[in-house]
Amino acid sequence: KAGVTQTPRYLIKTRGQQVTLSCSPISGHRSVSWYQQTPGQGLQFLFEYFSETQRNKGNFPGRFSGRQFSNSRSEMNVSTLELGDSALYLCASSWPASGYGYTFGSGTRLTVV
Amino acid sequence: GDSVTQMEGPVTLSEEAFLTINCTYTATGYPSLFWYVQYPGEGLQLLLKATKADDKGSNKGFEATYRKETTSFHLEKGSVQVSDSAVYFCALSNPTQGGSEKLVFGKGTKLTVNP
Repeated sequence: KAGVTQTPRYLIKTRGQQVTLSCSPISGHRSVSWYQQTPGQGLQFLFEYFSETQRNKGNFPGRFSGRQFSNSRSEMNVSTLELGDSALYLCASSWPASGYGYTFGSGTRLTVV
Repeated sequence: GDSVTQMEGPVTLSEEAFLTINCTYTATGYPSLFWYVQYPGEGLQLLLKATKADDKGSNKGFEATYRKETTSFHLEKGSVQVSDSAVYFCALSNPTQGGSEKLVFGKGTKLTVNP
């Protein structure tokens, strides 16, 4: 079956702009999470959605937001981009069972110039 | 809060050598433990997992045992191949009261296997 699909794969944006990233989870998976990966901070949790509701949120400023649609697809938005937002953004989906583990997409590489 | 500590490396081995990557965790309750692998330019792939104490996760020759007494989940492989070259991440998930299972990651260990 199809894996987690993230679009676009690469983005270049200018400081101050906003960006929207998209994630389509594995069919049947209802939990979608987003992570930011940078060389300095490693992998950091952004937020998790389950059945269109944000179930958990990491320690990121309000410029980072997300949502989940009724078909479980998710988007995350970053407004007023800063140079430090340059990162690989990873989406992951999971079956709603404890300890199942997450399946990750290939990520969106965002570069802010 | 919950945390994961793993040896950061980098680790360089010759083909067919034995691999150990140490991972210890701090968490309340009964977390699930995972090893993920990341190849260059790609996302994370789940390598193996264990959901309770003394469980052994295994996949593609890799193994790790959930040791609650030592709060550890060390990754091992008896004979590495060049194709195992990647970054390995240890992670835990600890369900919140609301059911959320965010992953907490270690900083990753870069493994290079030379022919």
